[in-house]
Amino acid sequence: GNSVTQMEGPVTLSEEAFLTINCTYTATGYPSLFWYVQYPGEGLQLLLKATKADDKGSNKGFEATYRKETTSFHLEKGSVQVSDSAVYFCALQGGSEKLVFGKGTKLTVNP
Amino acid sequence: DAGVTQSPTHLIKTRGQQVTLRCSPKSGHDTVSWYQQALGQGPQFIFQYYEEEERQRGNFPDRFSGHQFPNYSSELNVNALLLGDSALYLCASSLEAAEYGYTFGSGTRLTVV
Repeated sequence: GNSVTQMEGPVTLSEEAFLTINCTYTATGYPSLFWYVQYPGEGLQLLLKATKADDKGSNKGFEATYRKETTSFHLEKGSVQVSDSAVYFCALQGGSEKLVFGKGTKLTVNP
Repeated sequence: DAGVTQSPTHLIKTRGQQVTLRCSPKSGHDTVSWYQQALGQGPQFIFQYYEEEERQRGNFPDRFSGHQFPNYSSELNVNALLLGDSALYLCASSLEAAEYGYTFGSGTRLTVV
């Protein structure tokens, strides 16, 4: 079945550092890929998405590119802020339409 | 425009009891999905409702059941609660084909003691 594997955290960075969170997937067909963010005590918010190979999703300075050849969708940001501290989930949506999530990566950004 | 509304926000139940969680979808959405998020884990799909019927189901026992009403709101029921049912329960709404993505509520934190 479909699955998502994310790098384990936690990840701790200083403000303005470069962020990469790795995500790889296994799926049949051509899924859509997502990054969701969860702030403490809250639900999930869609951060960005890509629906086909080579698409780049971007939002709030975060980017991820759908790489079919490596089945990856790594999240990057050039300069993180304290307010980016949260848990980040990679997810895919295949033909069955339900979302399949990774286990999440907790990011802490220190001033 | 209100997003997805879930109630209650927190709940404490005793093992063996039954619980009902509620969800009102985002205006214009007709499909509701439920997810269970255990502490430190990613959300796991429970089931999805469309046109008042369960359309898909994840790997959850029959103790988990649901309902969708004509106004598209939904309930999640869990019978014979176990300690392991303690989790954040998330409701997500969408249009039927979900081509515009899902909108999540803030969740109901269920603690079973």
